[in-house]
Amino acid sequence: EVQVLESGGGLVKPGGSLRLSCAASGFTFSTYSMNWVRQAPGKGLEWVSSISFSSGFKYYTDSVKGRFTISRDNAKNSLYLQMNNLSAEDTAVYYCAREVTSTSDPTAYTPSYFDYWGQGTLVTVSS
Amino acid sequence: SYVLTQPPSVSVAPGQTARITCGGNKIGNINVHWYQQKPGQAPVLVLYDDSDRPSGIPERFSGSNSGNTATLTITRVEAGDEADYYCQVWNNDSEHFVFGTGTKVTVL
Repeated sequence: EVQVLESGGGLVKPGGSLRLSCAASGFTFSTYSMNWVRQAPGKGLEWVSSISFSSGFKYYTDSVKGRFTISRDNAKNSLYLQMNNLSAEDTAVYYCAREVTSTSDPTAYTPSYFDYWGQGTLVTVSS
Repeated sequence: SYVLTQPPSVSVAPGQTARITCGGNKIGNINVHWYQQKPGQAPVLVLYDDSDRPSGIPERFSGSNSGNTATLTITRVEAGDEADYYCQVWNNDSEHFVFGTGTKVTVL
């Protein structure tokens, strides 16, 4: 059974840092692109960042570029999101999502859609 | 940036048909995917590549995409279909995934 489980959320002060983790199981993690998607309280879904299976491609939404860093460790079946210089606008539930990946070419990235999601981890930025 | 516009809400009686639109510039030229999110739960993929259903999604869910509008159609609506629905695309120009604004479907 495919599972992705986020952890690392919590309460942090403005300007602080947090590192989210996503543990994957039930599939060959190293062959899938992975994503972080967030949802502020009472708001819609917002894509945050993507990383290709080989880590050769990384993308960020504009509001987090330069502050957030996505990474993965295929040996540990884990996805990460390092979040620095956090502000109240980053308060949200952060979801880890598997992206359907149709290529095995590490020099290519073919973006698609998200077929499995974790239950999310809440990040609250407040003084 | 690429914007996907959805109606904030759609109300439908049980057994009737709900249509949820997703408007975007020339959206008919790209693949659109749809997610259902019930309160307190993670999103679930209900349609991909405009009109394909993942396993386990009822045939009552269908989709179309042309011009500037993609549409998710739910026929024979049930109480369990009450949820928020989001469309999603990849925008090549910005190299960003984009979600629609979301539509709350209420079953009367």
